[in-house]
This record gives sequence, structure tokens and C-alpha cells, in this order.
Amino acid sequence: AQKVTQAQTEISVVEKEDVTLDCVYETRDTTYYLFWYKQPPSGELVFLIRRNSFDEQNEISGRYSWNFQKSTSSFNFTITASQVVDSAVYFCALTLRGGATNKLIFGTGTLLAVQP
Amino acid sequence: SQTIHQWPATLVQPVGSPLSLECTVEGTSNPNLYWYRQAAGRGLQLLFYSVGIGQISSEVPQNLSASRPQDRQFILSSKKLLLSDSGFYLCAWSVHGNEAFFGQGTRLTVV
Repeated sequence: AQKVTQAQTEISVVEKEDVTLDCVYETRDTTYYLFWYKQPPSGELVFLIRRNSFDEQNEISGRYSWNFQKSTSSFNFTITASQVVDSAVYFCALTLRGGATNKLIFGTGTLLAVQP
Repeated sequence: SQTIHQWPATLVQPVGSPLSLECTVEGTSNPNLYWYRQAAGRGLQLLFYSVGIGQISSEVPQNLSASRPQDRQFILSSKKLLLSDSGFYLCAWSVHGNEAFFGQGTRLTVV
């Protein structure tokens, strides 16, 4: 069975601090995708990144970076120099490659509050 | 470019009343379509998904149903709402193997 665990329910930081959001996943399949989504107070889920299971390269996009480690089944997300606009709920998700659908299996989310 | 429209944004309905939430996608053909519900606890639960017209898969037994009358239209319905149906409903689309894109959501309150 597939599962995504985001152990951090809530994180509060002060602006300009770095913060890492943890994501641990479980799957017996060798081919899968991992995702991060941001849900601001407006409610809409915003896609941030997709990583496939064969690509363990870390990725950086501006202040965002992702660390994918298959050895520990983790896909952690770091925000550098956090800003108030980063305040949101962040979801990690997993889907299997292949098959007719790609059902996203979400973690329970981490609420990030960035204080000015 | 692809867009997804979901309406209404908010809805207050009495217990026992019917429900119809609509979602349409533009700019893509034969997408996979999904309905998710987000309860107060923040987790996202997949309710239904569809890989084509008239093809609906239900993930959890419940008081809701879904239909896909057209390729890019996905409807969530109920004949009689329950208090427990309250929540934030999100429609999403994807093309096989790629990320899903979400609508703006409908906040349903059953009173």
C-alpha cells in the first residue's frame, strides 16, 4: 500500500529563517512520482514540483529546494529566507507511474506560519 | 493553456437538500478528472476519479455520486445532503503520468 507521512503538523518561523518540511513516503513500487503542493488561505492547491523515482537529483527553484533520497524514502522541501507570503499548508503527494490513472495520495499537510 | 473552472465557490445547503457541483476543464482532451474532499482536519480524500466519459470510479462509499457527461465536465452530486458532507471540495485534472491541477474549490456547509 502507498502512504505519505508529513509528521510536522504545524511549523512557525520568523521571516528570513530557513525552514524544512519533511515528507516520508511508502510504496513497494519502483516507479512513482512525488509532488509538493502549496495551499494558501484561498484554498486552491498550487503545484510546486514533480519528481520521478528515477531522478534523485536535488532541485532548486529560487528560494525553494527539494531533497529526494530514495534510501530513506524522503522528499523534503526547504524554503530559504522565508517570507510571510510563504505562509500556507504544504502537501506532499505520491502517485504510481503506469496504469490508466495517477491517483494522488496526499500526506496530511504541514501548516507553515511565517511571522513578520 | 489549460484552465479548470469549478463552481460555486461557496454553498450553504440544508440537510436533506440535493447537491450539484460542476467542474469543467479547458485546453486539454481526455483528461483524468478527480473530486477530492478536504475536511476540517486538512487531509485530502479522493472521492471519485474518471478516465473517460461515463467512466467513474468511487474511492469511498458515501452519500455522493459523480458523473462525467462530457469529456471535460465532471459533476459531483447528492440526492440528500448530510451534515457530514460539509467540507471543501476540490476538482482536479491530469494527463496520465503528470501532475494534477486543481480548481479553486467549493466550500460546502450543510446546516
